[in-house]
Amino acid sequence: GENVEQHPSTLSVQEGDSAVIKCTYSDSASNYFPWYKQELGKRPQLIIDIRSNVGEKKDQRIAVTLNKTAKHFSLHITETQPEDSAVYFCAASITGNTGKLIFGQGTTLQVKP
Amino acid sequence: DAGITQSPRYKITETGRQVTLMCHQTWSHSYMFWYRQDLGHGLRLIYYSAAADITDKGEVPDGYVVSRSKTENFPLTLESATRSQTSVYFCASSDDRGYEQYFGPGTRLTVT
Repeated sequence: GENVEQHPSTLSVQEGDSAVIKCTYSDSASNYFPWYKQELGKRPQLIIDIRSNVGEKKDQRIAVTLNKTAKHFSLHITETQPEDSAVYFCAASITGNTGKLIFGQGTTLQVKP
Repeated sequence: DAGITQSPRYKITETGRQVTLMCHQTWSHSYMFWYRQDLGHGLRLIYYSAAADITDKGEVPDGYVVSRSKTENFPLTLESATRSQTSVYFCASSDDRGYEQYFGPGTRLTVT
């Protein structure tokens, strides 16, 4: 079945630096790739997503890139701030099928002031 | 976010008891999902539903039962709670295109 691998599991950066989280997926039919941010004790929240017909999407300080040939996608956070500290999950799905998201294992990002 | 709610938010129960966690969404979303989240395991899918009266197993369905008689509700029942079911449970929903899955606030369940 579909599998999503996420790396690294933990990431520590200095405030102002960039952070990159990478995911690979196994099912070439996957066509939707969301990213979720989960702060401690809170629900996962959708922060950005990308569809398979687009190679890159940007929203202020966050961006996601997709390489369908290599079956991997990445989250880029620039000018990191302490409030970016959270657990980030990538996911993949085949839309219009079951609606199921296959999640990566999560990355704990710590931004040091 | 206010469109999907879960109750109770916190629950303590004893081993062997039946427990039902409620999930309600006001968006008329077709898809609904139940996940559990444990330290070191990320989000694991328990059951999902594509529409009223259509449910299917996810990754970790054993010990759980779901029903969906109305589009807006998707209750999760632990028939005989075990300590290994101590976890945080999240409900989620998305529209019939399958994009943008939104999560409820979660229920923290402790089985003693």
